[in-house]
Amino acid sequence: EVQLVQSGAEVKKPGDSLRIACQGSGYTFTNYWISWVRQMPGKGLEWMGNIDPSDSDTKYSPSFQGHVTISVDKSISTAYLQWSSLKASDTAMYFCARHPRVAGGRYWGQGTLVTVSS
Amino acid sequence: DIQMTQSPSTLSASVGDSVTITCRASQSITTWLAWYQQKPGKAPKLLINKASTLESGVPSRFSGSGSGTEFTLTISSLQPDDLATYYCQQYGSGWTFGQGTKVEIK
Repeated sequence: EVQLVQSGAEVKKPGDSLRIACQGSGYTFTNYWISWVRQMPGKGLEWMGNIDPSDSDTKYSPSFQGHVTISVDKSISTAYLQWSSLKASDTAMYFCARHPRVAGGRYWGQGTLVTVSS
Repeated sequence: DIQMTQSPSTLSASVGDSVTITCRASQSITTWLAWYQQKPGKAPKLLINKASTLESGVPSRFSGSGSGTEFTLTISSLQPDDLATYYCQQYGSGWTFGQGTKVEIK
């Protein structure tokens, strides 16, 4: 069974750094891309970027380029989304999704809620 | 960047009604379009891929059509379980989501 399991909820202060995780199982991790999607409270879905785990090739949405880093550790079938300095506006639910290179996401993680508050 | 414009933002219909959601792309995406259903507190669920291909296990009352820049999602006989927000998504160049359509049951 294909599963994407995300790390747990986080509460951070502005300026903190953070890395959240998405671990894949039940499939060959390097055969599918991982995308990250943000959903701010009460708002719609925003694509942040994706990564090809086979070679770590990464593409970012212009809206998120330079604000986050997407990476992968294929030895443990895990993708990461990282911030070096959080802002209150980063408060949101973050989802990872698995997909072929050009396709929608059939499998999604359960989401990680990130709360940034002083 | 490819922009996706979805309408309406909210629709209210009765059980058994047929409802249609429209999505327009800012440039041609051929059929690189997906539709998702999202219920509160849950991850999105893929309903339709390649504009009109129904995902396994999705009820046949859902259907998608279109190509190029104009696409539609139709629910042929609305059921109480269809209460959700629906999003279109292009995946021809990265991903872009429409703004979402909240479907309410009268």
